[in-house]
Amino acid sequence: GQNIDQPTEMTATEGAIVQINCTYQTSGFNGLFWYQQHAGEAPTFLSYNVLDGLEEKGRFSSFLSRSKGYSYLLLKELQMKDSASYLCATSDYKLSFGAGTTVTVRA
Amino acid sequence: DTGVSQDPRHKITKRGQNVTFRCDPISEHNRLYWYRQTLGQGPEFLTYFQNEAQLEKSRLLSDRFSAERPKGSFSTLEIQRTEQGDSAMYLCASSLELAGGPGTDTQYFGPGTRLTVL
Repeated sequence: GQNIDQPTEMTATEGAIVQINCTYQTSGFNGLFWYQQHAGEAPTFLSYNVLDGLEEKGRFSSFLSRSKGYSYLLLKELQMKDSASYLCATSDYKLSFGAGTTVTVRA
Repeated sequence: DTGVSQDPRHKITKRGQNVTFRCDPISEHNRLYWYRQTLGQGPEFLTYFQNEAQLEKSRLLSDRFSAERPKGSFSTLEIQRTEQGDSAMYLCASSLELAGGPGTDTQYFGPGTRLTVL
């Protein structure tokens, strides 16, 4: 089975940095995905980590430590449009999602 | 638009009725997934196709649920004798099998079908 934990809510100021942590316990693991989901919309792909370390993609970076069952998503230079839910998911061909972290960006 | 499409976007039905949803994946994608999402939760896996073969069904998928993917293209998800607990967003995703093996391919989601059972 899968057990994925991430904080429920986070609030940050425009221009700041926010780090969303995700811990997981899984019986099968072929990678960790982060998705962004705006209210009422479909999840959109942000990043994928299969090896330990940091993957950087513009303002978004994602880190993975397989031995610790831990990942984080780092959002830099926050913009108002970044207000959304961020979903951590492990993959063993199907995705197993956490409940999501709602990030609110304030002016 | 070459993304995943789903139809209808919204469906309101009465308890006990049957409903069918359609998903059209990205054209070259050979894998197709159905998920269900309720408010405040992440999507939950329902079932998965590789081409036309249904390879796994979640225990969440009761006998009232059936999915097909004829000819390995579009897919349909049918719910028979709907119950109020079936109210949710039904999401379809597709991916292209990569050499890295299962779980390494990125799944792209459609806009979802929001089902309300009265």
